[in-house]
Amino acid sequence: AQKVTQAQTEISVVEKEDVTLDCVYETRDTTYYLFWYKQPPSGELVFLIRRNSFDEQNEISGRYSWNFQKSTSSFNFTITASQVVDSAVYFCALRPGSARQLTFGSGTQLTVLP
Amino acid sequence: EAQVTQNPRYLITVTGKKLTVTCSQNMNHEYMSWYRQDPGLGLRQIYYSMNVEVTDKGDVPEGYKVSRKEKRNFPLILESPSPNQTSLYFCASSHRSSYNEQFFGPGTRLTVL
Repeated sequence: AQKVTQAQTEISVVEKEDVTLDCVYETRDTTYYLFWYKQPPSGELVFLIRRNSFDEQNEISGRYSWNFQKSTSSFNFTITASQVVDSAVYFCALRPGSARQLTFGSGTQLTVLP
Repeated sequence: EAQVTQNPRYLITVTGKKLTVTCSQNMNHEYMSWYRQDPGLGLRQIYYSMNVEVTDKGDVPEGYKVSRKEKRNFPLILESPSPNQTSLYFCASSHRSSYNEQFFGPGTRLTVL
């Protein structure tokens, strides 16, 4: 069985601060895929990034960066110089190589204050 | 435009009155899935389908039915809705490989009185 834990239920920061959202996962599969999705107040789910289990390179996309560490089963997400528009619920998700179920964490509500 | 559509977007109904939430995608995706989102629980998978006529239970299938008669459509059926099925529902689709991210519909907010 798969499990994704996002221990931070809510985080509040002031604009321009850096913030890291934690994600810890459990799976017995050796091949798996990790995802981050953003859910802004409007409610839709927006895909942010995908990472496969064989690629531990960190990735940076503008103000967003992701730190994947298999040794600690973590896939953390950092927003640099946060902006009010970053306020949203962020979900980490895991999909095993068998391409069936996608397991989500419970989400982290990020509020960026002006 | 590539998209996943759901209808209705909002629905208020009463206990026991059968309802169907439709889901359609125009990306020729093999894989489709239904999730429900509840506070503090994230998204939990209800049912999924790997292809036409192939469906399987997710984590929380009780009280729901699905069908996949056509590749593009994957309706969610609540034959006798109950208040504990009040939730935000999302349909999603992707190509079969687990490498591919899922594309989500806009969501359906269901209230069962």
